Amino acid sequence: KAGVTQTPRYLIKTRGQQVTLSCSPISGHRSVSWYQQTPGQGLQFLFEYFSETQRNKGNFPGRFSGRQFSNSRSEMNVSTLELGDSALYLCASSLRDQSSGNTIYFGEGSWLTVV
Amino acid sequence: EDKVVQSPLSLVVHEGDTVTLNCSYEVTNFRSLLWYKQEKKAPTFLFMLTSSGIEKKSGRLSSILDKKELFSILNITATQTGDSAVYLCAVLSSSSNQFYFGTGTSLTVIP
Repeated sequence: KAGVTQTPRYLIKTRGQQVTLSCSPISGHRSVSWYQQTPGQGLQFLFEYFSETQRNKGNFPGRFSGRQFSNSRSEMNVSTLELGDSALYLCASSLRDQSSGNTIYFGEGSWLTVV
Repeated sequence: EDKVVQSPLSLVVHEGDTVTLNCSYEVTNFRSLLWYKQEKKAPTFLFMLTSSGIEKKSGRLSSILDKKELFSILNITATQTGDSAVYLCAVLSSSSNQFYFGTGTSLTVIP
């Protein structure tokens, strides 16, 4: 059974640009959540999608957005990139939404560098 | 404010040593606590703990939760170089339905 797949794995962008990251969850999983990981802050929750609806959102500015498709694949977008957006972006999937208490399983992440 | 604190921040041990990693939390309406191992790739799931005092065990790794004192420990016995990684603790709040992560403990095992 394939795990959580994230693309691209590495990317470099310039300040002011935008970026779209993609996540394919484990087959049968319907919840996808996104996290930002930086050395100083650890993993911080961005948002969760379940059945194409955003169920929960962390404390990030509106430049960070996401969506989920009918096949449960998800994308997140960051617009007007800032240097501080450089981080590892991790996607996690679970069978049901996080209110169910299911374990979440992570992808390998997308390393974003903003220059 | 919900928070999860892990200690120590980093640890260097020799192969064969036993280590104990700590995770304390202040999270509204605790639902579960999860441990992950992160090498230079995806964090991999180790344990989920929901009840106090019940030890979860997998090979040389074990973990236990104390909901009264609001902490969990992860023990690794007879450490091997392959145990070198960052160990992450996450707590799920049933109020916010959100996982809160600690910043991790970086473990280095020297041959």
